[in-house]
Amino acid sequence: GQNIDQPTEMTATEGAIVQINCTYQTSGFNGLFWYQQHAGEAPTFLSYNVLDGLEEKGRFSSFLSRSKGYSYLLLKELQMKDSASYLCAALNNAGNMLTFGGGTRLMVKP
Amino acid sequence: NAGVTQTPKFQVLKTGQSMTLQCAQDMNHEYMSWYRQDPGMGLRLIHYSVGAGITDQGEVPNGYNVSRSTTEDFPLRLLSAAPSQTSVYFCASKLGFGQGDGYTFGSGTRLTVV
Repeated sequence: GQNIDQPTEMTATEGAIVQINCTYQTSGFNGLFWYQQHAGEAPTFLSYNVLDGLEEKGRFSSFLSRSKGYSYLLLKELQMKDSASYLCAALNNAGNMLTFGGGTRLMVKP
Repeated sequence: NAGVTQTPKFQVLKTGQSMTLQCAQDMNHEYMSWYRQDPGMGLRLIHYSVGAGITDQGEVPNGYNVSRSTTEDFPLRLLSAAPSQTSVYFCASKLGFGQGDGYTFGSGTRLTVV
C-alpha cells in the first residue's frame, strides 16, 4: 500500500516563495505527481517526477528524492490566484493506481 | 476535445436508491479511474480500469460497481445509496502506462444521500 503525508495548511505572502513538502511510504513506486485544486473545482496537473532531482516549470518546481521518500513543490513569486489546495500523489509500480495525500491548503495573503 | 465529461454535476438521492454516475472521455485514454473526495481526506480511489473489459478495485470499492464496455465510457454505479456515500466524485483518465502527463480529471459530481 501507499502512505502519503503532507501538511494540512500553509500561509504565505504575495510575491514570496513557499515550499510544500510531501513524504511517502510505498510498496511500489513509479513516480510522484503534484496537482492543484481550487475550491469547488477539479484537480489540475502541475508536475511529475520519476527520477531524483528538480523539475522546473515556470514559477513552479518539483523535487524528488526516491531514497528518502520525499518530494516538495516550490512556488515562486506567489500570486493571489495560487491560493488553492496542492495534492501530492504517488503512482504504483504498475502505473495504474494513483494514491493521494490529504492535500495542503495554501492561503496567499496580500 | 471535450476531455473528461461527468454527468450529472449535482444529485440528491434517498437512502437505498440506486443510480449511475456517468463518465466519458474523448481522448482515447486507456486508463480510467473513479475517486471520491471527502473533506480532510483527500482523493480516495474507488475503482479503476486499464482498458475496455478490464476493471479492478481501488481503496474504497464497497457499495460501488463499475464496467468498461468501451474505451470512452466508465460508469460508476451506486447499488443502494447510504449517507456515508455523500461526497464529491471525480472521474479521471490518462493515456496509459508511463505517461508523465498524469490523469485528467472531470469536473466532478456532487452527491448528497439523505
